[in-house]
Amino acid sequence: DVKVTQSSRYLVKRTGEKVFLECVQDMDHENMFWYRQDPGLGLRLIYFSYDVKMKEKGDIPEGYSVSREKKERFSLILESASTNQTSMYLCASTPQSTPYEQYFGPGTRLTVT
Amino acid sequence: GQNIDQPTEMTATEGAIVQINCTYQTSGFNGLFWYQQHAGEAPTFLSYNVLDGLEEKGRFSSFLSRSKGYSYLLLKELQMKDSASYLCAVRSLRAGNNRKLIWGLGTSLAVNP
Repeated sequence: DVKVTQSSRYLVKRTGEKVFLECVQDMDHENMFWYRQDPGLGLRLIYFSYDVKMKEKGDIPEGYSVSREKKERFSLILESASTNQTSMYLCASTPQSTPYEQYFGPGTRLTVT
Repeated sequence: GQNIDQPTEMTATEGAIVQINCTYQTSGFNGLFWYQQHAGEAPTFLSYNVLDGLEEKGRFSSFLSRSKGYSYLLLKELQMKDSASYLCAVRSLRAGNNRKLIWGLGTSLAVNP
């Protein structure tokens, strides 16, 4: 079974703090994704990575950065957390074979106060 | 532009059949996915269609018509545990090296006894 894990299920941070969200997958997938999910807005892609050290902006990259130093690990960084970044953050990875379905981690519910 | 539409909410009765529709407009269509998401949990992959027709998987079936930009997810013999949000997502050859998905907002299905 594919396993995608995220470092925390729940996280509370203060405005202005630097926040690291980590995602690890154990199936040697090359493609990894970070989304945020908000009521009424659905899943929105923040960044994705198709190889080590490679990254591409998604639909809402502002206020975020990512790091992919190893194939199995994809980190999302909030340089200076703001209250509008309170959300559910979901990591996903995709195998190299069709249909390239995305496997999701359990999610991190981040609250910025 | 690229767009996916699905109903916001649906209600059905335990033991019944329900059909959740999804319409899409996208260039370079390269497959349509259905995911199930229970409240507070991550989405899980249900089905994939890339050719026209019906794909059946147990109680769940998914249909695709590429010429109409239309898909539906059919759930038979509804159970209470089927109460969840159902997300339609489309992959486009034009988006993010063919690995990025365009997501609908999801249809929240409530199954009543």
